[in-house]
Amino acid sequence: AQSVAQPEDQVNVAEGNPLTVKCTYSVSGNPYLFWYVQYPNRGLQFLLKYITGDNLVKGSYGFEAEFNKSQTSFHLKKPSALVSDSALYFCAVRDNWGKLQFGAGTQVVVTP
Amino acid sequence: SAVISQKPSRDICQRGTSLTIQCQVDSQVTMMFWYRQQPGQSLTLIATANQGSEATYESGFVIDKFPISRPNLTFSTLTVSNMSPEDSSIYLCSVDVGQGGEAFFGQGTRLTVV
Repeated sequence: AQSVAQPEDQVNVAEGNPLTVKCTYSVSGNPYLFWYVQYPNRGLQFLLKYITGDNLVKGSYGFEAEFNKSQTSFHLKKPSALVSDSALYFCAVRDNWGKLQFGAGTQVVVTP
Repeated sequence: SAVISQKPSRDICQRGTSLTIQCQVDSQVTMMFWYRQQPGQSLTLIATANQGSEATYESGFVIDKFPISRPNLTFSTLTVSNMSPEDSSIYLCSVDVGQGGEAFFGQGTRLTVV
């Protein structure tokens, strides 16, 4: 069965420092991978996706993610974090029935 | 892309009552999805709503507790019936643009049952 794992409940980073949020996946076949962000009292907003092609995917708000097939990972990155990036981040994968399976979520806290 | 309007944004309800959540999409979509996000948890799919047919429920969710309507290709409702405090969650509707496409979400309904 398809699944994703986010090993960190929370990531703390100082503003201006690089931000990485980890995600590993387990799928049969080619993975369709997604990152979403949830701000307090808001729905989920799409950040980026990997379907095929370049392993480095660029998305919204300066975020990017690197698909690594050998390590079955899809880590989210941002070169220089902002305080406004503080939010809950979800990695997701499509299963064989087209449904999205979400990771547990990682709370990102960026301190000034 | 799709713009989804969901209402109410929040509500506080008495146990034993029911709440209907509405979800309006700005374009016609085949499938709409309803999720529950319990406090501090990830999203769990409740059901998939297709226009013209009964909703398909995931394991652990039943139609009597979460009846869903899908009268047309732009609108759906989810009712949380006979509520208990355990139903306190954020409920989100979502639409999909296909296997390789991303999903779009409403802003969610924060439900508190007292």
